[in-house]
Amino acid sequence: RKEVEQDPGPFNVPEGATVAFNCTYSNSASQSFFWYRQDCRKEPKLLMSVYSSGNEDGRFTAQLNRASQYISLLIRDSKLSDSATYLCVVNGNTNAGKSTFGDGTTLTVKP
Amino acid sequence: GAVVSQHPSRVICKSGTSVKIECRSLDFQATTMFWYRQFPKKSLMLMATSNEGSKATYEQGVEKDKFLINHASLTLSTLTVTSAHPEDSSFYICSAPLQGYYEQYFGPGTRLTVT
Repeated sequence: RKEVEQDPGPFNVPEGATVAFNCTYSNSASQSFFWYRQDCRKEPKLLMSVYSSGNEDGRFTAQLNRASQYISLLIRDSKLSDSATYLCVVNGNTNAGKSTFGDGTTLTVKP
Repeated sequence: GAVVSQHPSRVICKSGTSVKIECRSLDFQATTMFWYRQFPKKSLMLMATSNEGSKATYEQGVEKDKFLINHASLTLSTLTVTSAHPEDSSFYICSAPLQGYYEQYFGPGTRLTVT
């Protein structure tokens, strides 16, 4: 079983749609959680951190459920510019920064 | 956010030659940096952890004599692909965390093509 598993996708949605991505992780000692966005042939960029209390940044909402070892990302009112691959990232129990990446979920937003 | 640079951004080399890729943290010091490779439509695979002042830690299955890592200073780590072969062609990305923080800041990546 992979340490971090994501919806395989791809997700193809019209502009304005709401889309949700899910991610599960296997290491219960994991300490920190992130969503990164990666555009084609570019490096990943931090989208948002994920906290147990949930956090929202504009159209993006991230949730963490430690009991279920589950992370989600919700994108509301999707834009064409949201088209990218979204990576779920989990860090271990130190702040050495070693990250485990999910395989990513590709989103295409169409006009 | 923190800035990490990589050089070169693209390199084409012949089989058997060695290629050096540099990763620099531009506005912060990084005692630890990470090197990843990424195949098309796949996620990032951690190759090794680069530690300033000590040997790199390699992930299982990554040949340390093939992928030489040197963390020369608090702002520079280098990855040298030795005796490159076509199967080494890939996108190599470095990252560094800010001291005391968990999130990673990534370099723009280096696309290596071995002919």
